[in-house]
Amino acid sequence: DTAVSQTPKYLVTQMGNDKSIKCEQNLGHDTMYWYKQDSKKFLKIMFSYNNKELIINETVPNRFSPKSPDKAHLNLHINSLELGDSAVYFCASSRERVSYNEQFFGPGTRLTVL
Amino acid sequence: QKEVEQNSGPLSVPEGAIASLNCTYSDRGSQSFFWYRQYSGKSPELIMFIYSNGDKEDGRFTAQLNKASQYVSLLIRDSQPSDSATYLCAVTQAGTALIFGKGTTLSVSS
Repeated sequence: DTAVSQTPKYLVTQMGNDKSIKCEQNLGHDTMYWYKQDSKKFLKIMFSYNNKELIINETVPNRFSPKSPDKAHLNLHINSLELGDSAVYFCASSRERVSYNEQFFGPGTRLTVL
Repeated sequence: QKEVEQNSGPLSVPEGAIASLNCTYSDRGSQSFFWYRQYSGKSPELIMFIYSNGDKEDGRFTAQLNKASQYVSLLIRDSQPSDSATYLCAVTQAGTALIFGKGTTLSVSS
């Protein structure tokens, strides 16, 4: 049974398009995250939600907008896609906000912008 | 700017040897420290976490933390070819997300 799932797994699109990535966790966790892993494999936090409330919003272009309809889902919508948005996007979840909680990662969505 | 530094490698060890992976962090307020393993094309998976100074052992893996030196390491004993992967060090404070290093690539030759 998949703990953290993401759709789609691969996304190829043209510059200027708008796209969404969906994430769902069935672990009953309260906190969810979006990370971006660039071509050099550097993994960096973008957003975090706790019980549908945005708690972390790193320096990310406002073309990126997360949405959490409920605590089991965290979606990422990207407007006006640019070449530099090409990366692997990972969703993750953890039981609480406390520092020692393990974060479970989804399988990733590989976004390619042409 | 909170930073986590790792040697990118590759670190090459023969099968059966001990692999030693190192990580330093800049934020003295960091509370918890994690080692994730990431195989090529896969998502990170947690190997160990540690939040007290000293050593923590789990099977072939030992994490070591020295908060005074802002240093955390991972030892892998009896290294196997299946341990070949990128190892990501990550730190966090209460209520924050993980801050990752850029990872060390480990290659274990048989």
